[in-house]
Amino acid sequence: NAGVTQTPKFQVLKTGQSMTLQCAQDMNHEYMSWYRQDPGMGLRLIHYSVGAGITDQGEVPNGYNVSRSTTEDFPLRLLSAAPSQTSVYFCASSLQMNTEAFFGQGTRLTVV
Amino acid sequence: AQTVTQSQPEMSVQEAETVTLSCTYDTSESDYYLFWYKQPPSRQMILVIRQEAYKQQNATENRFSVNFQKAAKSFSLKISDSQLGDAAMYFCAYRPTLNTGTASKLTFGTGTRLQVTL
Repeated sequence: NAGVTQTPKFQVLKTGQSMTLQCAQDMNHEYMSWYRQDPGMGLRLIHYSVGAGITDQGEVPNGYNVSRSTTEDFPLRLLSAAPSQTSVYFCASSLQMNTEAFFGQGTRLTVV
Repeated sequence: AQTVTQSQPEMSVQEAETVTLSCTYDTSESDYYLFWYKQPPSRQMILVIRQEAYKQQNATENRFSVNFQKAAKSFSLKISDSQLGDAAMYFCAYRPTLNTGTASKLTFGTGTRLQVTL
């Protein structure tokens, strides 16, 4: 019963480096999303997808790219890491956009 | 835009006692979902309870219950018979039922850290 799987759990990057955070779900959910969690700010939506081949921006999309080639996978790419992207990142999936979300375990990213 | 406010950054409760976490929200929608998520030190976001706005009856899940006041836009979480394992960050979240665009995103409060003492 895997649910939503995120890798890696921890990552340290140097400023300017790029990387991809992986997210996979095995519940056949159409809707997937990426959030970042910063102290005192709750979780904020970065990008989301309503199905394979369809993605759109959330409230804080700058510096991030996504793609959705399959129902199961929704990777988040940091193009050129900046210290402001130091955060905890969560991937979530739900059956539809207006139903409860299931979260991965999060990735703690530090950009130095 | 929808907003969710949790005015209690930290709360403390003794084991076996009852505690209530507050949440208020602002929306112009008439139909929506409200959620409480628990985040223990493991970082995992765990759904505790959810409430559909069209239901007048307050949701309950074992020791967890909510007091949903739609007119006041208030959605508090009551934890009865508190246990050490309840210690965590608790987030209130809102999601409209309108199934289009970022209007359907989860909007989170800033969280309440709950301590459980012996």
